[in-house]
Amino acid sequence: ETGVTQSPTHLIKTRGQQVTLRCSSQSGHNTVSWYQQALGQGPQFIFQYYREEENGRGNFPPRFSGLQFPNYSSELNVNALELDDSALYLCASSTGGPLHFGNGTRLTVT
Amino acid sequence: GQNIDQPTEMTATEGAIVQINCTYQTSGFNGLFWYQQHAGEAPTFLSYNVLDGLEEKGRFSSFLSRSKGYSYLLLKELQMKDSASYLCAPPKLIFGAGTRLAVHP
Repeated sequence: ETGVTQSPTHLIKTRGQQVTLRCSSQSGHNTVSWYQQALGQGPQFIFQYYREEENGRGNFPPRFSGLQFPNYSSELNVNALELDDSALYLCASSTGGPLHFGNGTRLTVT
Repeated sequence: GQNIDQPTEMTATEGAIVQINCTYQTSGFNGLFWYQQHAGEAPTFLSYNVLDGLEEKGRFSSFLSRSKGYSYLLLKELQMKDSASYLCAPPKLIFGAGTRLAVHP
């Protein structure tokens, strides 16, 4: 059974640029959730996708957008990057039960 | 709303027992999850309480009282490797800030 995988593991971008983060869900999981985690804080919910449709959204601006593909993999896109977007971005898949997290993408915005 | 409150930090001694409390104000959800997160790693699932009462899983137990908006995670026979953050979360995908537990020899 393959777990949740995220790519890239680390990324450095400049303020104003755009970034795409990728996530492959665990086999059989049709739901993907994205979180932003700042150092020393709990994960903050960005949004969730279920069968290619957005199924809930947290308090993040529209420049945070996402996609889910027919194979249930997912992308998180962030436009017009700001310094405060520097964080660990976690993807988690599930079938409605416990969340299974990937190891995250560490994004640094300079 | 879904305000979740946990102590920010706790310390304990190897071999001891520690209880991490979580209180929440929420509506329309059933049950509560606990996750463990080691520094620099992803959260991993520990336990899920869907009904009131105590769920035991080895050294870890979790308790839920839905009427009181209260849960706790009980860790017994603490080991150094238990030093981590512990996050409580309802199924509505909202996490608390987590409790950083430091286990000392």
